[in-house]
Amino acid sequence: NAGVTQTPKFRILKIGQSMTLQCTQDMNHNYMYWYRQDPGMGLKLIYYSVGAGITDKGEVPNGYNVSRSTTEDFPLRLELAAPSQTSVYFCASSYGTGARDTEAFFGQGTRLTVV
Amino acid sequence: KNEVEQSPQNLTAQEGEFITINCSYSVGISALHWLQQHPGGGIVSLFMLSSGKKKHGRLIATINIQEKHSSLHITASHPRDSAVYICAVKDPGTYKYIFGTGTRLKVLA
Repeated sequence: NAGVTQTPKFRILKIGQSMTLQCTQDMNHNYMYWYRQDPGMGLKLIYYSVGAGITDKGEVPNGYNVSRSTTEDFPLRLELAAPSQTSVYFCASSYGTGARDTEAFFGQGTRLTVV
Repeated sequence: KNEVEQSPQNLTAQEGEFITINCSYSVGISALHWLQQHPGGGIVSLFMLSSGKKKHGRLIATINIQEKHSSLHITASHPRDSAVYICAVKDPGTYKYIFGTGTRLKVLA
């Protein structure tokens, strides 16, 4: 089915380990986003991309890196994991032309615990 | 003042009640989104509105662009409607979504 696919769904990391959260969409969306959601809180933007080869920082980029080498993929890299990065991570995508925007699609989320 | 304000923040209703959640925004937008998140669950897009009204099953969303206000209505509410409902707009300059704080709805059987 078309949509946004995130992997893994769950992960436990030890402090200092690294990992990549994968996000793929097959809808040819130009906009892609990574958010984190702490318990009981709203979504905070980590990084976003308006197209292949273009990425930009959001509100909380420290400790993360992204790349957008293709339209479909937008992986999020955690280097040197810290307990403060324990959260649920959501990838999202949409298509827009500036004046027009489409429905936003969200991945199922990745529940990450850093111990 | 937040650019996207939602009310109420929390809402408890009895099954069958008509529910209204409001969203006001202060920025220029091309469209407004209503999202739903069940406890411990993913986020689902319910509506995207740029004008007028949309209906999907028991859910109705309206928007008044001049007044910068949108409402989400749930008719004949059911316990499975219990979720957090989030209003979001996209900043046309930065392409980033601006989210409301969410409305936590609990529908009692």
